[in-house]
Amino acid sequence: NAGVTQTPKFQVLKTGQSMTLQCAQDMNHNSMYWYRQDPGMGLRLIYYSASEGTTDKGEVPNGYNVSRLNKREFSLRLESAAPSQTSVYFCASSRLAGGGTDTQYFGPGTRLTVL
Amino acid sequence: QKEVEQNSGPLSVPEGAIASLNCTYSDRGSQSFFWYRQYSGKSPELIMFIYSNGDKEDGRFTAQLNKASQYVSLLIRDSQPSDSATYLCAVNPVSNDYKLSFGAGTTVTVRA
Repeated sequence: NAGVTQTPKFQVLKTGQSMTLQCAQDMNHNSMYWYRQDPGMGLRLIYYSASEGTTDKGEVPNGYNVSRLNKREFSLRLESAAPSQTSVYFCASSRLAGGGTDTQYFGPGTRLTVL
Repeated sequence: QKEVEQNSGPLSVPEGAIASLNCTYSDRGSQSFFWYRQYSGKSPELIMFIYSNGDKEDGRFTAQLNKASQYVSLLIRDSQPSDSATYLCAVNPVSNDYKLSFGAGTTVTVRA
């Protein structure tokens, strides 16, 4: 039981390049999330998927797109990377989207630098 | 006003002492409150959650919730060097359709 896995762990891009961050969970969770974490800013929600087949914008969606490929996998795409997207990206999953005591479990993170 | 606010610290406590972390939130309709621990360079991991007013204890950790004051705290008793980390408070506000909002975190250093 690996929990939430993310690839790659590290990435350096040049401005304008594109890339996709991959996330997978093996806990049979319905909901998945993408966050970015910047110093002093805490975790900010980029996009989330409440269930397979649905995606919604979070707090900071500009410059990103997502795909919920199936129940296990949720990818984040940067179409044209900008230095402002330099951050640590975390994927998370939970049994249900919000409410009650639904707990989110986090992947190990991807450290992205855009030059 | 930020939805969730925490003192950024750093909070430095001697080994064996009690570390007290505070968190305030703005949405009075929030239902559940979570404390995550994040070691440097690692991902957040859940310590505990609380949803009723009062105290909830789990080992050396105690979460305290006061919905009237919109305040949640985390006490770490008998602090150990291994407790040195950043502690994130998370809240699920009604205004955010019950998606979690995170504070910026409080960094705790336990001095041996």
